[in-house]
Amino acid sequence: DIQMTQSPSSLSASVGDSVTITCRAGQGVNNYLAWFQQKPGKAPKSLIYAASSLQSGVPSRFSGSGSGTDFTLTISSLQPEDFATYYCQQYRTYPLTFGQGTKLEIK
Amino acid sequence: DVQLVESGGGLVKPGGSLRLSCAASGMTLSGYSMTWVRQAPGKGLEWVSSISGSSAYIYYRDSVKGRFTVSRDNVKNSLFLQMNSLRAEDTAVYYCARDRGDCTTTSCPTPAEYWGQGTLVSVSS
Repeated sequence: DIQMTQSPSSLSASVGDSVTITCRAGQGVNNYLAWFQQKPGKAPKSLIYAASSLQSGVPSRFSGSGSGTDFTLTISSLQPEDFATYYCQQYRTYPLTFGQGTKLEIK
Repeated sequence: DVQLVESGGGLVKPGGSLRLSCAASGMTLSGYSMTWVRQAPGKGLEWVSSISGSSAYIYYRDSVKGRFTVSRDNVKNSLFLQMNSLRAEDTAVYYCARDRGDCTTTSCPTPAEYWGQGTLVSVSS
């Protein structure tokens, strides 16, 4: 199985800040990397696929980059609705695997 | 409105069975792979199973192989997960998701795009 490791596990930021979350794959996954957002008690929401492509309707303040083993999710100009937990997932091969999540909290 | 709605969750004793359903509205499931993902209380997301649009390709995580069976009915625009021999560690919210594309011989797996709201499965005596 491909292990996915996110860092940090949690971070605090203020509205208007820019934040970056890192995801590292245990082996190369090319660009088969997705990012999801989840708010408490809610279903995940798809944000990014193919490492850097935004899902329809996702604000442009979200951006993704990377290839191979190292990936980042950047949220510029944080909005109140962005405080949530973020997960990366590789879909290079089965079993699909997720990172452990990064909880983004309001400072 | 584009929507996926899961149903069928509940409380079941260890060794029991449940059948989850996922019904789509405002979108077609035909031609798209579908995926089940679960989340144990207070834990992260865990992939469970995926099925291609034609049901030709089916995948399971090791811990559910032989116990869970995924299926779909493209005419009824629905996805199913038959869960047998349930264990306490299967306790979780189960989400269905429609992928962005279909699993083919040259492009598989595919990433999730739309998600249902989830259904809670509790396995306890």
